[in-house]
Amino acid sequence: GNSVTQMEGPVTLSEEAFLTINCTYTATGYPSLFWYVQYPGEGLQLLLKATKADDKGSNKGFEATYRKETTSFHLEKGSVQVSDSAVYFCALSEFGTGNQFYFGTGTSLTVIP
Amino acid sequence: DGGITQSPKYLFRKEGQNVTLSCEQNLNHDAMYWYRQDPGQGLRLIYYSQIVNDFQKGDIAEGYSVSREKKESFPLTVTSAQKNPTAFYLCASSPGGRDTDTQYFGPGTRLTVL
Repeated sequence: GNSVTQMEGPVTLSEEAFLTINCTYTATGYPSLFWYVQYPGEGLQLLLKATKADDKGSNKGFEATYRKETTSFHLEKGSVQVSDSAVYFCALSEFGTGNQFYFGTGTSLTVIP
Repeated sequence: DGGITQSPKYLFRKEGQNVTLSCEQNLNHDAMYWYRQDPGQGLRLIYYSQIVNDFQKGDIAEGYSVSREKKESFPLTVTSAQKNPTAFYLCASSPGGRDTDTQYFGPGTRLTVL
């Protein structure tokens, strides 16, 4: 079956530190992969996506590369800001499943000044 | 503005009462989804609909019901059969096709059953 595993949080970093949030997946076919961000009390916002192997998604300084050989889609940012404090969700979607999404449990990030 | 609206933002109900959560989208998307989010957990799919007048159960459909009479609307009813309904409920929509399969989320409704 399909599933997503992401690193446990919470993660606390100082401003300008390097961020990595690990995400690995299990899928039966060739999924699309996503990172979403959720700010307190709000819905999820798409951060970036990749639809095939070796694609790199990027947005607002965040990036993630679709690695088929390691079934991973790790989220990285070179220099985090206080405004990046949020919960980050990794997700996959596979065609032919009604576009069902499978989400990880989320990783809470707090950036301190 | 195009987007997804959910109302109300906060909802309080007494145990044993049915309650309906609203979800409306003006993105002209074919597919719509309902998720439940509990603290420290990921999102779990309740129901989804790929086309008007059709919907399918997700992983945790028991105690919930939906309808899809219009393309832009996908209301969720939390019935008295749902044993632990207090949660944050998120509605999403997607265009429906493989090349545009991103899901777009509404702001959510926090339901508290007293």
